[in-house]
Amino acid sequence: EVQLVESGGGLVQPGGSLRLSCAASGFTFSSYAMSWVRQAPGKGLEWVSATSGSGGFTYYADSVKGRFTISRDNSKNTLYLQMNSLRAEDTAVYYCAKWSSYYYDSSGYPDYWGQGTLVTVSS
Amino acid sequence: QSVLTQPPSASGTPGQRVTISCSGSSSNIGSNYVYWYQQLPGTAPKVLIYRNNQRPSGVPDRFSGSKSGTSASLAISGLRSEDEADYYCAAWADSLSGPVFGGGTKLTVL
Repeated sequence: EVQLVESGGGLVQPGGSLRLSCAASGFTFSSYAMSWVRQAPGKGLEWVSATSGSGGFTYYADSVKGRFTISRDNSKNTLYLQMNSLRAEDTAVYYCAKWSSYYYDSSGYPDYWGQGTLVTVSS
Repeated sequence: QSVLTQPPSASGTPGQRVTISCSGSSSNIGSNYVYWYQQLPGTAPKVLIYRNNQRPSGVPDRFSGSKSGTSASLAISGLRSEDEADYYCAAWADSLSGPVFGGGTKLTVL
């Protein structure tokens, strides 16, 4: 059974940093691209970032480019999202989602999601 | 403002058939597959339909998807109380190099 467990969320001041983690199990982690999707309170879903199975390719939404960094440790079956220069508009539940293929491209889609971790950016 | 447009709400009575629409453009729905997700209150999204009209194993055949041009729709037949949830459509956006989502439709079973 595929399991994705996010951690690392919390309350942070504007301009601060947080690192989210996503522990994966139930599938061969290194064989799939992974992504982060967020959902602001009462709002819809927004794709944030993704990485290929090897971690060699990374992708970002314009809203987080230059501030967020996605990475993965395939030896630990863990996905990360380093978030710097946080803003109030980054407040959201952050979901880790497994991509359905090794490469992150239009042939795949987020097929399994974790339960999410809440990030609140406020003074 | 979401890239894909969905009605904010829909409703039906048990046993009825309900459809939820999703409108996009040539650079997302028009040239890529459409996906549908169900999000029960307080839970993570779960894929209901992939590649326009395919159901993952375990998803009842009461759920069906279709696509035409730059629009898509999700149909739920034999509506049940447990279908009460938020439903999101998604498609790859060529300009974004990532998926875009609809704003979500809250389905109420009366």
